[in-house]
Amino acid sequence: DTEVTQTPKHLVMGMTNKKSLKCEQHMGHRAMYWYKQKAKKPPELMFVYSYEKLSINESVPSRFSPECPNSSLLNLHLHALQPEDSALYLCASSQDRLRETQYFGPGTRLLVL
Amino acid sequence: LAKTTQPISMDSYEGQEVNITCSHNNIATNDYITWYQQFPSQGPRFIIQGYKTKVTNEVASLFIPADRKSSTLSLPRVSLSDTAVYYCLVGDMNTDKLIFGTGTRLQVFP
Repeated sequence: DTEVTQTPKHLVMGMTNKKSLKCEQHMGHRAMYWYKQKAKKPPELMFVYSYEKLSINESVPSRFSPECPNSSLLNLHLHALQPEDSALYLCASSQDRLRETQYFGPGTRLLVL
Repeated sequence: LAKTTQPISMDSYEGQEVNITCSHNNIATNDYITWYQQFPSQGPRFIIQGYKTKVTNEVASLFIPADRKSSTLSLPRVSLSDTAVYYCLVGDMNTDKLIFGTGTRLQVFP
């Protein structure tokens, strides 16, 4: 099973709202990732968790706050977002290192009004 | 930051072989080259991964020259369902980051 699940599938939020994106995998992977993808562009890495510890933060604004409650779950907390943050947010996981093959979830389509 | 470049788009007909190239001049010495397929509003799907020479699986082949500064994804006998965007993913030796290629939009016609 190489499935990564993400909820919700779609999300519309105002600039003053607080919302969370959720990601789950049951492959026993120990590295998990958040990516942001704008239309017709490749995914851009935001955060990497390795063994439940934040190992990479690609200078992401603080209005995005990641959390890894356990080895199977990854959250992305959103607060005071801007319209330009509207994008497809992808979660991925890999065995245990950044260079291992990453398996992606279906993504959450976010629209900020 | 050196870009990992791919042709923007390619057209093909059903049953033909399609070869998509990725140029990665600054590839990190120890990194693999990975290719993904992405349909609209879906996450990228793993296709194939290799380090050097040639790798083949049930859906594709990957050709990597000795200098590893490029790679070619080969899709044999494409079908309409292969219409998608294809990305390579490599490590950059200068930044030690994994970088997606610019993506190639493949359109397959009947």
